[in-house]
Amino acid sequence: AQSVTQLDSHVSVSEGTPVLLRCNYSSSYSPSLFWYVQHPNKGLQLLLKYTSAATLVKGINGFEAEFKKSETSFHLTKPSAHMSDAAEYFCVVSDPGNQFYFGTGTSLTVIP
Amino acid sequence: DAGVTQSPTHLIKTRGQQVTLRCSPKSGHDTVSWYQQALGQGPQFIFQYYEEEERQRGNFPDRFSGHQFPNYSSELNVNALLLGDSALYLCASSLAGPSFGGGTGELFFGEGSRLTVL
Repeated sequence: AQSVTQLDSHVSVSEGTPVLLRCNYSSSYSPSLFWYVQHPNKGLQLLLKYTSAATLVKGINGFEAEFKKSETSFHLTKPSAHMSDAAEYFCVVSDPGNQFYFGTGTSLTVIP
Repeated sequence: DAGVTQSPTHLIKTRGQQVTLRCSPKSGHDTVSWYQQALGQGPQFIFQYYEEEERQRGNFPDRFSGHQFPNYSSELNVNALLLGDSALYLCASSLAGPSFGGGTGELFFGEGSRLTVL
C-alpha cells in the first residue's frame, strides 16, 4: 500500500529564510514521489518529482527535495523563502498504475 | 498548448440532484483521472480512465461514475448528491503509466470544478 505523511500542517517562515516541509512515505513498490503546490483557487502545479534517478531532485522556483530510502523521507527545501511561495504544498506517492496518493498538505506562510 | 481544462468552474446543486463535470486533457495525453478535494484536505482519487474504460477506482460509491470519449475528454457524473459531496473536483491528465506500457507518471491538473451542495 502507498501513503504519505506530511509531518506539519502549517509552517511559517520569514522572507529570505530557509524552508523545510517534511514528508515520510510508505510504498510497496520502488516509489515515485512528487511535490505539488496549490495556490488559492488554483489547480495543482508540479514542483518536482523523483523516479529512481538521482536522490537529490531539483524543481522549479528554487525548490529541491532529497529522497532518503533509509529514512523513507522526501523532504522539500528551499534556501530562501519568497512571498510568492505562500501556498499549500502536497507530497504525493504514486503506484505503477499512476494512481496518486496525496498527503494532507502543509500550508506555508511567509512573513515579510 | 492548452493545458487541462475543466467546466464548469463553479456550480451549486441541491441534495438529491445529479451533476456532470467535464474535462479536456492536455494535448497528447490519453489518460484522465478524477480527484475529489474536500475543504482543507488533500485530493482523494476517484477513478482513472484509459482507452475509454475505467482502469482504477478509489473508495467512492457507485453514485460516482464516469466516461471517457474517443477524443480522450472525460466526464464525471455524481447522482443523488449529498451535502458531503461538496468539494473541489480536479481532473488530471497524463500519458499512460507504467502498467500500460509507458508514460512518465506525471499528472497535469486542471483548476477544478467547485461543487456546492445545499
